[in-house]
Amino acid sequence: SQQGEEDPQALSIQEGENATMNCSYKTSINNLQWYRQNSGRGLVHLILIRSNEREKHSGRLRVTLDTSKKSSSLLITASRAADTASYFCATGDDYKLSFGAGTTVTVRA
Amino acid sequence: DGGITQSPKYLFRKEGQNVTLSCEQNLNHDAMYWYRQDPGQGLRLIYYSHIVNDFQKGDIAEGYSVSREKKESFPLTVTSAQKNPTAFYLCASSTGQGAADTQYFGQGTRLTVV
Repeated sequence: SQQGEEDPQALSIQEGENATMNCSYKTSINNLQWYRQNSGRGLVHLILIRSNEREKHSGRLRVTLDTSKKSSSLLITASRAADTASYFCATGDDYKLSFGAGTTVTVRA
Repeated sequence: DGGITQSPKYLFRKEGQNVTLSCEQNLNHDAMYWYRQDPGQGLRLIYYSHIVNDFQKGDIAEGYSVSREKKESFPLTVTSAQKNPTAFYLCASSTGQGAADTQYFGQGTRLTVV
């Protein structure tokens, strides 16, 4: 399994601060994806980064990928209460994705 | 409204019963997936299907069964052989297969054994 592992498990920040979480994986990948899950809901896709990309942005989200270290990071800038959720990285092969256990982010007002 | 619909949202099962969770998509996606999520944990793959009338076991298929008779439907049956079925079940679909494609998720079914 190419399952990613997120770090930290949980993160609590003040509204307006930045939140950074990391994902490490074991084997070579072609792509890595990040998803968000609000409590009790399904996952929502955030960003897909390819192995030949080092950084990708989407709104207040910034994802980096370091294939030499087999790691990725997700940065949420200027956090809002609505960013409170669990965040998962996902890697995989030609047939399926594997998800990590996630980082739970709590944004305090 | 395009999307993926899971029903019911909550389901209660008695010991020894089989129950079927519904998953329907109108996104015209070929690939569909079933995951199980336990509290505080990530998703574990139960079954997946890349084309109608074909499906493959995931990492935790024991005690579960699926069918893929129509492109838009991928129901999951939790059988009495599944010893610890209480969990949150998520269905997803994607255009293609594997790590290169975005997966779209339903809102989940929470199954509780009573």
